[in-house]
Amino acid sequence: QVQLQESGPGLVKPSETLSLTCTVSGGSISSYYWSWIRQPPGKGLEWIGYIYYSGSTNYNPSLKSRVTISVDTSKNQFSLKLSSVTAADTAVYYCARQILGGGGNYYMDVWGKGTTVTVSS
Amino acid sequence: DIQMTQSPSSLSASVGDRVTITCQASQDISNYLNWYQQKPGKAPKLLIYDASNLETGVPSRFSGSGSGTDFTFTISSLQPEDIATYYCQQYDNLLLFTFGPGTKVDIK
Repeated sequence: QVQLQESGPGLVKPSETLSLTCTVSGGSISSYYWSWIRQPPGKGLEWIGYIYYSGSTNYNPSLKSRVTISVDTSKNQFSLKLSSVTAADTAVYYCARQILGGGGNYYMDVWGKGTTVTVSS
Repeated sequence: DIQMTQSPSSLSASVGDRVTITCQASQDISNYLNWYQQKPGKAPKLLIYDASNLETGVPSRFSGSGSGTDFTFTISSLQPEDIATYYCQQYDNLLLFTFGPGTKVDIK
């Protein structure tokens, strides 16, 4: 079955750009939407944004000015870049697949295990 | 933006108890409401989608209901393995996702 794996640096300096990649295995990245979600220590889940395999994107308005999500279908990967990071961006970052339910609702049916990113000098 | 509230924020119940969590949206979201379970140190797991549809492989003691702005998630008979935080999530007409703040469920 489809599995997702996040990868990237675990430590990023303040003001720099956080870069993560999600590798999709056991299935194709095509024909689906793919999301990034994060969870600060001890807090709830925050949706960051999603990308369609064709490249169209949508971002959380609260992060939109700093977020870029891209896709590489040849590698079955999609990526997250978050610029100008601060300590508030310290979190576990998850990637997930979105599925279209009945009537137009989307939900996240497959998740990666998550990767911890700490912002610190 | 659509805001999501959940209540209670935490609860403690005995094994076998019926547990109910409510989720309220700040505006009508039809049935665009999903429920996830997150155990400590683990990724969230989809339990319910489209407000009331049980994800494949999820035990039938979990159920969801509601539409519009008010939704309910129920565990009919709490089991020790159900200790987790439960999140509702909505998908709105601006194509944005929002999670509720979560409800932590413990065993009494």
